[in-house]
Amino acid sequence: GAVVSQHPSWVICKSGTSVKIECRSLDFQATTMFWYRQFPKQSLMLMATSNEGSKATYEQGVEKDKFLINHASLTLSTLTVTSAHPEDSSFYICSARTRQGDTEAFFGQGTRLTVV
Amino acid sequence: QKEVEQNSGPLSVPEGAIASLNCTYSDRGSQSFFWYRQYSGKSPELIMFIYSNGDKEDGRFTAQLNKASQYVSLLIRDSQPSDSATYLCASSGGFKTIFGAGTRLFVKA
Repeated sequence: GAVVSQHPSWVICKSGTSVKIECRSLDFQATTMFWYRQFPKQSLMLMATSNEGSKATYEQGVEKDKFLINHASLTLSTLTVTSAHPEDSSFYICSARTRQGDTEAFFGQGTRLTVV
Repeated sequence: QKEVEQNSGPLSVPEGAIASLNCTYSDRGSQSFFWYRQYSGKSPELIMFIYSNGDKEDGRFTAQLNKASQYVSLLIRDSQPSDSATYLCASSGGFKTIFGAGTRLFVKA
């Protein structure tokens, strides 16, 4: 299957600071990337969908000014958690599709964010 | 609200037995269905996908889909301790993928 690399795998930051998470498709061009958040023992919750070269589409209840998504190229999408607070501590996972219409998505390794 | 429902478990089976995982979905427009395995602290990995009614087999795994009943299942034959994980069911109507909360499976050696 296609490889999606997510970095960093874990990060600890102070409350009020910003954290950037990168998601790269290594061996394919990802027209669409998805960002999920997962709290312990809960399901993956879709935060936003990003398409290369256009603004991300955020799910209801997700603050677009807090979770900045940039999809500048067909192989890279970034999620920046701005002014992080302890309640933002979670497991953030990206996934990518190979082309339009494909429903199979490949996941990155995930990023464990802890805000102290 | 489009939903995918799973029994949270835990489901405990002895090594070598068949583990049966079930899932229902609410969106009749869903076309594709997926089973992912997620180990603790890791991201999900795709096990199988199914689009058509009936059974689909891949090694020790068999996915079953019944669109009339809006029901998807995953059978794991000859369960191994390494199969112990959370199994996520997901449905997709073509763009978004909706995930269930997952069923925790324990395979006892």
